[in-house]
Amino acid sequence: AQRVTQPEKLLSVFKGAPVELKCNYSYSGSPELFWYVQYSRQRLQLLLRHISRESIKGFTADLNKGETSFHLKKPFAQEEDSAMYYCALIPGTYKYIFGTGTRLKVLA
Amino acid sequence: DVKVTQSSRYLVKRTGEKVFLECVQDMDHENMFWYRQDPGLGLRLIYFSYDVKMKEKGDIPEGYSVSREKKERFSLILESASTNQTSMYLCASKDRRSYEQYFGPGTRLTVT
Repeated sequence: AQRVTQPEKLLSVFKGAPVELKCNYSYSGSPELFWYVQYSRQRLQLLLRHISRESIKGFTADLNKGETSFHLKKPFAQEEDSAMYYCALIPGTYKYIFGTGTRLKVLA
Repeated sequence: DVKVTQSSRYLVKRTGEKVFLECVQDMDHENMFWYRQDPGLGLRLIYFSYDVKMKEKGDIPEGYSVSREKKERFSLILESASTNQTSMYLCASKDRRSYEQYFGPGTRLTVT
């Protein structure tokens, strides 16, 4: 079955601490994976996709096919990183499978 | 800059009413989507449309229908609203050659 699991509903960290938002997927093919972010009162927007291998707002995510994971990381959290984060698996052209989301709270 | 707009930010309807949620995109995207967003459940796909007059059921189509008469507009219809349809509804669009979806601001629907 195709599935995305984000095990943490809420993650609280202090400003300046490292952040890791977990995402595990279940998919038999070669996955296309994204991270989307939703800041308070803003629309859902793309943060990064695995194929680009770039860092956006200090965040990176590495695809680990052996562990079927696509964890989102940032070495030093900022208060403006507080948001809802969704991991998404795209098994086909039209189909998105979203995880249940993790709310990140960065404490001052 | 891609713009996806939704007709209402907040909507309150009564049980049994017919409800229309409208979504318009201005980037000539072929594909459009309707999701509902619920705490702890993430985003779930209700319906999508890969082109004008084309539609496909998503994961939770029961109680909903859609209409795509023009390329830029995708409507979600609740034929007879029920309290369990109280939710945040998100519309999205994308180019058929791309994976990236662009989302609207959402409509928070409350059915009383």
